[in-house]
Amino acid sequence: DAKTTQPNSMESNEEEPVHLPCNHSTISGTDYIHWYRQLPSQGPEYVIHGLTSNVNNRMASLAIAEDRKSSTLILHRATLRDAAVYYCTQWGFGNEKLTFGTGTRLTIIP
Amino acid sequence: DAGVTQSPTHLIKTRGQQVTLRCSPKSGHDTVSWYQQALGQGPQFIFQYYEEEERQRGNFPDRFSGHQFPNYSSELNVNALLLGDSALYLCASSFQGYNGYTFGSGTRLTVV
Repeated sequence: DAKTTQPNSMESNEEEPVHLPCNHSTISGTDYIHWYRQLPSQGPEYVIHGLTSNVNNRMASLAIAEDRKSSTLILHRATLRDAAVYYCTQWGFGNEKLTFGTGTRLTIIP
Repeated sequence: DAGVTQSPTHLIKTRGQQVTLRCSPKSGHDTVSWYQQALGQGPQFIFQYYEEEERQRGNFPDRFSGHQFPNYSSELNVNALLLGDSALYLCASSFQGYNGYTFGSGTRLTVV
């Protein structure tokens, strides 16, 4: 199964940028990198995904290393509503499932 | 758009009983996956259904079974419940999986 490694927890000040790292030690050339976040008492919420190039959407940016062994989720201006557990995962053709680790618990300090 | 709908939201069962959980996927999605999430852990993949067939399965015993209906909705059945089956059960739907999944809010199952 795909293996990702994330810090257990991170803190950030409100209205500051947040960079959440992830290592993808077993990623293959055709695996997509996905990020999800989970608020208390809710299911995971899709944040962003990418294959090779950096990606931006209304929620966040995703920076993917050239060798694809690491990725960084960037929240440009953290708000209190961004406090959640963030999961990086991988998805591949022929192995079409998401494999979650324990994620990073992000705390936002007012 | 209603997103993914799961029912019931909470359930309490006794050891040895059987349970059925239900999921309606997001409109336009044809693939349904089920995940089990224990407290403090990330979701664990149970299985995935596409075109009414189980396409992929995680490391779960045969006590866990499922079904997908022609309208793409799905059921998760667990037989001979164990205390360790207590968890949040999540349903996720997708159209093209590489584009991302939509998760429901889950069913909290407690086995006593």
